[in-house]
Amino acid sequence: AQTVTQSQPEMSVQEAETVTLSCTYDTSENNYYLFWYKQPPSRQMILVIRQEAYKQQNATENRFSVNFQKAAKSFSLKISDSQLGDTAMYFCAFMNRYGGSQGNLIFGKGTKLSVKP
Amino acid sequence: EAQVTQNPRYLITVTGKKLTVTCSQNMNHEYMSWYRQDPGLGLRQIYYSMNVEVTDKGDVPEGYKVSRKEKRNFPLILESPSPNQTSLYFCASSLFRGSNQPQHFGDGTRLSIL
Repeated sequence: AQTVTQSQPEMSVQEAETVTLSCTYDTSENNYYLFWYKQPPSRQMILVIRQEAYKQQNATENRFSVNFQKAAKSFSLKISDSQLGDTAMYFCAFMNRYGGSQGNLIFGKGTKLSVKP
Repeated sequence: EAQVTQNPRYLITVTGKKLTVTCSQNMNHEYMSWYRQDPGLGLRQIYYSMNVEVTDKGDVPEGYKVSRKEKRNFPLILESPSPNQTSLYFCASSLFRGSNQPQHFGDGTRLSIL
């Protein structure tokens, strides 16, 4: 079974600085997707960034980028120029592209990020 | 506007009183899913549905039922709620199972079972 581990329950960063959130996963599959979701206090689940495992190039979305290390099964999220609105819970998630658990999102336990003014 | 709508947003009820949380999507998605979120545990899948009349258990299905009679609706049923089902619940949908397009989430339902 696949598992997703976020080893940092809480983190803080000063406004305008850069922070990296860690995520590791375990799978024997080769075709899968990885996601970072943001959950602000409004509790909505907002997709931040997505990575397809067969793509070597790291995904980027404005101030958000990932460091995808497939062999190491690592998928960290870097937030540059942190803003107060980035304060939220961040979840790393894995999804199989094929196979028995295809389409089912498996989440880590989350990292609570606080951006301080 | 493409969306997943859950109702109610909040509910406080008592042990044993049957309740239903509705979920509806307007994107003609085949795949729908329910998750529960608990502090320190992240989100865990309860049930999912690949299409009308096709449902299957996720990781934590005990105490829950679902049905998928229409493509747009996927209600979550708690026949006899218990306090350990107090949680934040999310419904999600995607075009089809394993789609490379991300799942759309509802805004969540906060259930408190006393």
